[in-house]
Amino acid sequence: GAVVSQHPSWVICKSGTSVKIECRSLDFQATTMFWYRQFPKQSLMLMATSNEGSKATYEQGVEKDKFLINHASLTLSTLTVTSAHPEDSSFYICSARTPLAGGPFTDTQYFGPGTRLTVL
Amino acid sequence: QKEVEQNSGPLSVPEGAIASLNCTYSDRVSQSFFWYRQYSGKSPELIMSIYSNGDKEDGRFTAQLNKASQYVSLLIRDSQPSDSATYLCAVKVPNAGKSTFGDGTTLTVKP
Repeated sequence: GAVVSQHPSWVICKSGTSVKIECRSLDFQATTMFWYRQFPKQSLMLMATSNEGSKATYEQGVEKDKFLINHASLTLSTLTVTSAHPEDSSFYICSARTPLAGGPFTDTQYFGPGTRLTVL
Repeated sequence: QKEVEQNSGPLSVPEGAIASLNCTYSDRVSQSFFWYRQYSGKSPELIMSIYSNGDKEDGRFTAQLNKASQYVSLLIRDSQPSDSATYLCAVKVPNAGKSTFGDGTTLTVKP
């Protein structure tokens, strides 16, 4: 399967600081990447869809000025949590969509390992 | 009505039994269907994809798709304690950028 990496795997920061999370597709080019957030024992929540070279599309209720997304290349997307607060503490997971794999409708989402953010 | 619905569980089966996980979806034009496994504290991992009606087998896993009934299922044969996880069903319509995920079913396999 396709490989997606994420860095860092965990981060602890003080309230008010900004944190950047990187997501890379290692063996394929991803025109579309997604950012999810997951609180303990809760469902995945899609935050935004990131398309290479264009502005990200944010889901309803997600503050675009707080969660800055940049998809500058076909293999890299970044999420920056600006002025982080304790309520932003969560598990952030990126996902990259592969190109079609030789058949219609076969583009598939693969997930990175996630970044656990703790804001003190 | 949610776009993708799964029983939240928990579903508990004894070791060696067949675990059956079910998913229904609302958009009739959906063409791509996926099952992901998520262990506690980890990110989702793709385990099966299916695009045509019928069964698709991969080792101990069988995905079943019935587009007429808008139903997709995952069977796990000879369940092992290591199969204990949350299983996410995902559905995608053509030309949509993203898959829509269900909330997941938590499976516990008891030794």
